[in-house]
Amino acid sequence: NAGVTQTPKFRVLKTGQSMTLLCAQDMNHEYMYWYRQDPGMGLRLIHYSVGEGTTAKGEVPDGYNVSRLKKQNFLLGLESAAPSQTSVYFCASSYGGAEIETQYFGPGTRLLVL
Amino acid sequence: KQEVTQIPAALSVPEGENLVLNCSFTDSAIYNLQWFRQDPGKGLTSLLLIQSSQREQTSGRLNASLDKSSGRSTLYIAASQPGDSATYLCAVSGNQFYFGTGTSLTVIP
Repeated sequence: NAGVTQTPKFRVLKTGQSMTLLCAQDMNHEYMYWYRQDPGMGLRLIHYSVGEGTTAKGEVPDGYNVSRLKKQNFLLGLESAAPSQTSVYFCASSYGGAEIETQYFGPGTRLLVL
Repeated sequence: KQEVTQIPAALSVPEGENLVLNCSFTDSAIYNLQWFRQDPGKGLTSLLLIQSSQREQTSGRLNASLDKSSGRSTLYIAASQPGDSATYLCAVSGNQFYFGTGTSLTVIP
């Protein structure tokens, strides 16, 4: 049981390049989330999904897209990376919604955009 | 918009000391409050979850309290150990989780 895994662990991009971050969970959770963590800002929700085939915007969705084609995977895409997207990205999952359930976090992906 | 504040931002204590971490939030309409631990370069690990109808939760040397009406929570750590050194984050849930910026704790042997 690996829990929540994230690929890659670290990536350097040039401005304007694109990339996809992969999150996978093996706990059969319905809900999945993408957060970014910046110094002094705390974790902020980018996008989330309440089930396979669904996605919704969080607090800071601009510049990102997501897809949930399979229940166990949640992909975060950056179409044209900007230096402001330099951050640590965390994926999380939960069986139910935030009103009743804790979230399980992956180890994070460190992204540097030059 | 929910705002979550944690004070102090950093705390250093000698081993064996009891300590309290503070969390405050602006909107009392929450479902629950959670305390997480984050080690350097790692993800978050849930420590305690308090439902909005509860006043406190305990796990080992950790005790978390919730006063929803005043928008405050505390995390009490008894007999601190060097292994407790980490960043502690609180999060409150409405339609989503809102996180504080954390308190970085260092326990000095």
